[in-house]
Amino acid sequence: EVHLLQSGGGWGQTGGSLRLSCAASGFTFSSQAMVWVRQAPGKGLEWVSSISDDGTYTYYADSVKGRFTISRDNAKNTLYLQMSSLRVEDRAVYYCAKEWGGWYFDSWGQGTLVTVSS
Amino acid sequence: EIVLTQSPATLSLSPGERATLSCRASQSVHSYLAWYQQKPGQAPRLLIYDAINRATGIPARFSGSGSGTDFTLTISSLEPEDFAVYYCQQRNNWPPLTFGGGTKVEVK
Repeated sequence: EVHLLQSGGGWGQTGGSLRLSCAASGFTFSSQAMVWVRQAPGKGLEWVSSISDDGTYTYYADSVKGRFTISRDNAKNTLYLQMSSLRVEDRAVYYCAKEWGGWYFDSWGQGTLVTVSS
Repeated sequence: EIVLTQSPATLSLSPGERATLSCRASQSVHSYLAWYQQKPGQAPRLLIYDAINRATGIPARFSGSGSGTDFTLTISSLEPEDFAVYYCQQRNNWPPLTFGGGTKVEVK
């Protein structure tokens, strides 16, 4: 059974940094692209970033480009999102998800809340 | 960027009724569209992919149709557990991957 266990997040200050982690199990992590999707309180889903299976290719939403870095450690079966230069508008629940079928998402982490304040 | 517009924003129905949700794309996404269900406090769940295919374990009362710019998710007879928010998502032209704004199906 696929399991994505998220950790990290919590409270951050504007201009500060946080790192999210997503530990994967139940599938061959090194063969799957992964994504981060976020959801501001009471709002819809927003794609944040994607990474290819081997980490060669990364993609970012314009809203986070230059501030967030997606990475992975295939030896540890773990996905990361390094968040820097945090803004109030980055406040959201962040989900990691497994890519399936050509950039759909069939398995999701439990979500982790990131709160940013000045 | 492809914008996905979902309608209506809220659908008020009773259990047993048929639900019809719409997703319109700002340009053609061919058939590269998915639908997700999200319940409060939970992560989204993939229901439909490539516009018409049910994901693993999804009941037959959920069906998808459409291609190009106009898509529909139909729930043939609402069960109590189907009251939730539904999102469409396109993968045809990205980055960015984009989601619609969601349709909430609520109990009438």
